[in-house]
Amino acid sequence: GAGVSQSPSNKVTEKGKDVELRCDPISGHTALYWYRQSLGQGLEFLIYFQGNSAPDKSGLPSDRFSAERTGGSVSTLTIQRTQQEDSAVYLCASSLGPGGNIQYFGAGTRLSVL
Amino acid sequence: EDKVVQSPLSLVVHEGDTVTLNCSYEVTNFRSLLWYKQEKKAPTFLFMLTSSGIEKKSGRLSSILDKKELFSILNITATQTGDSAVYLCAVVRGGSQGNLIFGKGTKLSVKP
Repeated sequence: GAGVSQSPSNKVTEKGKDVELRCDPISGHTALYWYRQSLGQGLEFLIYFQGNSAPDKSGLPSDRFSAERTGGSVSTLTIQRTQQEDSAVYLCASSLGPGGNIQYFGAGTRLSVL
Repeated sequence: EDKVVQSPLSLVVHEGDTVTLNCSYEVTNFRSLLWYKQEKKAPTFLFMLTSSGIEKKSGRLSSILDKKELFSILNITATQTGDSAVYLCAVVRGGSQGNLIFGKGTKLSVKP
């Protein structure tokens, strides 16, 4: 597609429920990243996929968080048993390749856990 | 621990003013520094800086990197209300670590 697409744009859920956030990167981009932006905070790295390599999961805050990238394209971030502190904007980015390439961001999913 | 620090955290100016936003970093294996503008949700790319002393310009915006003193500045001249946004600075490390390390951003408000 023309840009990085994320869905849903907003998600309200109850504490303890599971949620899935979707990211469709720019066509041809091999690298895909998930970040989290909490109120008043900078963007916090969560996970990074590059091609068929094993993902870099070093930023995931707990084992309730997981992500998949199917067929080297679309990615899903799953948060199990959501907590109120998970409320944030979840941003996805993609780039042509790894490392120093420019990352292009989607509009994000605003997650609110009640 | 790698970190990126931006200052000021917020800034209010009037249209026509010139502003300078600061970004300092302490990062192992530095590769490049990027500036983004975030108005609502999606950060939009402004500049990528890799070499010291080479100014990047785009209209009224310009940026430069100092790899010796470990900082970058973003200048905006003749500010307009449409420049109101959060400006994010991020650093890319070399090697297999592909993620950006972000500062907390500078919130710029331009009053008419």
